[in-house]
Amino acid sequence: SYVLTQPPSVSVAPGKTARVTCGGNNVGTKRVHWYQQKSGQAPVLVIHYDSDRPSGIPERFSGSNSGNTATLTISRVEAGDEADYFCQVWDTTSDHRVFGGGTKLTVL
Amino acid sequence: EMQLVESGGGLVKPGGSLRLSCAASGFTFSDYSMNWVRQAPGKGLEWVSYITSGGGYIYYADSVQGRFTISRDNAKNSLYLQMNSLRAEDTAIYYCAKSEIAVPGTLGAFDVWGQGTMVTVSS
Repeated sequence: SYVLTQPPSVSVAPGKTARVTCGGNNVGTKRVHWYQQKSGQAPVLVIHYDSDRPSGIPERFSGSNSGNTATLTISRVEAGDEADYFCQVWDTTSDHRVFGGGTKLTVL
Repeated sequence: EMQLVESGGGLVKPGGSLRLSCAASGFTFSDYSMNWVRQAPGKGLEWVSYITSGGGYIYYADSVQGRFTISRDNAKNSLYLQMNSLRAEDTAIYYCAKSEIAVPGTLGAFDVWGQGTMVTVSS
């Protein structure tokens, strides 16, 4: 089955840029979605189709996808961005939806 | 406002059964595919099952295939998950999640989530 690999943790100072990666075999040929999950809350969609922001998501959130790596970029990081972030794709081979293991973003 | 509210979670013994429900409101439920996603305590998200808007296509994760059954009642704006032969490793928060209308040739993201219902499998 298809596997998405994320770093367990990323740390960033307020006001700086955070990059969360999502690795997978030729993931650049798939459409990647990103979710933010704050402690004790349900996930929220922050990026869909690699780089599109749903309504209500700040412009500070952006995404890219190429080759074997998709990246969620959060600019001008704020304390409120501290959360777990998950990438997700559709594995067309199995018709299964697949999540990455998640990355805990810590704002220093 | 689009909303999903799960119910039916609880404590069940290994080998037991449980039926989860998800009540949808604020959108035309019958137009959208739906999913169940779970999260074990302290762990990541795991997709469990998917059903198309009319119920004609259904998919399951390998971990639940043959034990869980997804269904929906569009007249009642409700999604269900029948869970049988439950195991300790099925212990998790179960979320109901709506699929967005997809770009052709792809599958849409999960754009609306419920708050989840906790299922604990323990003797």
